[in-house]
Amino acid sequence: QMQLQESGPGLVKPSETLSLTCTVSGGLSNYYWSWIRQPPGKGLEWIGYIYYGTTNYNPSLKSRVTVLVDTSKNQFSLRLISMTTADTAMYYCARGGTTVKTSNAFDIWGQGTMVTVSS
Amino acid sequence: DIVMTQSPDSLAVSLGERATINCKSSQSVLYSSNNLNYLSWYQQKPGQPPKLLIYWASTRESGVPNRFSGSGSGTDFTLTIDSLQAEDVAVYYCQQFYSTPGTFGQGTRVEIK
Repeated sequence: QMQLQESGPGLVKPSETLSLTCTVSGGLSNYYWSWIRQPPGKGLEWIGYIYYGTTNYNPSLKSRVTVLVDTSKNQFSLRLISMTTADTAMYYCARGGTTVKTSNAFDIWGQGTMVTVSS
Repeated sequence: DIVMTQSPDSLAVSLGERATINCKSSQSVLYSSNNLNYLSWYQQKPGQPPKLLIYWASTRESGVPNRFSGSGSGTDFTLTIDSLQAEDVAVYYCQQFYSTPGTFGQGTRVEIK
C-alpha cells in the first residue's frame, strides 16, 4: 500500500520561504503528484502538481510556488515564497491520476503537516 | 475556476437514517468524449486527511461501505449515506477534477441527531 509522508518546519516567519518534502513509498512513476492545503477550520485548496518534469500551479499562487521532484529519493517538494499569515494551513501531499485529465483526482493523501506563519 | 457549492452546510441525522448532501458546479464537469463526470466525494474526520469515497460521480472507491452512493451528472450531484452510522460523523467535500485548478466545495458537516 503506497504511503505519503510530509516533512518540514512547523513554524515560518512572515516574508520567509516555506520548504516541504513529500516522501512516497512505492515510487513516483506514472502519477501526478500534488500539494493541497487547508487553513484551520476551512476548506481545501489545490496548490500545484508535478508529473516527471512538468508542473502546473494554481493561478492564485503561481507567482510564489515551485514544485520539484527528486526521483532518486522518491520525493517531491514544495517551495512557497513570501509567506504571510494567510498561508497558515495544514499542507497535504496527494497522488493524482495517470493522465492530465485526472491529475487532480486524489486517491491517496499524506497525513499532512501543519505550518504556522508567525513572527 | 469552476465553483463548487454544497448544500446544506451542515445536517444532523438520526442513527440509521439517510443523509443527503448536494453539490452544484458552476459549469458542467461531464466530459463528452467518454461520458464521465469528473467529480469526487471525500470524507474528512477530525485530525485526518480527506479520504476518497466516490469518483466519476458514482463509483465507490475500494473498501468504501456500500451505504455510500453518489449520483448526478453535468452540474448537479448528490452524495447519499444510507443508514447513517456513528463513524460517518465527518465533513464531506465534493471536488471537480474536470479542469485545473481542481476545486472543492466548502464542505458539509454531518452530525448525529
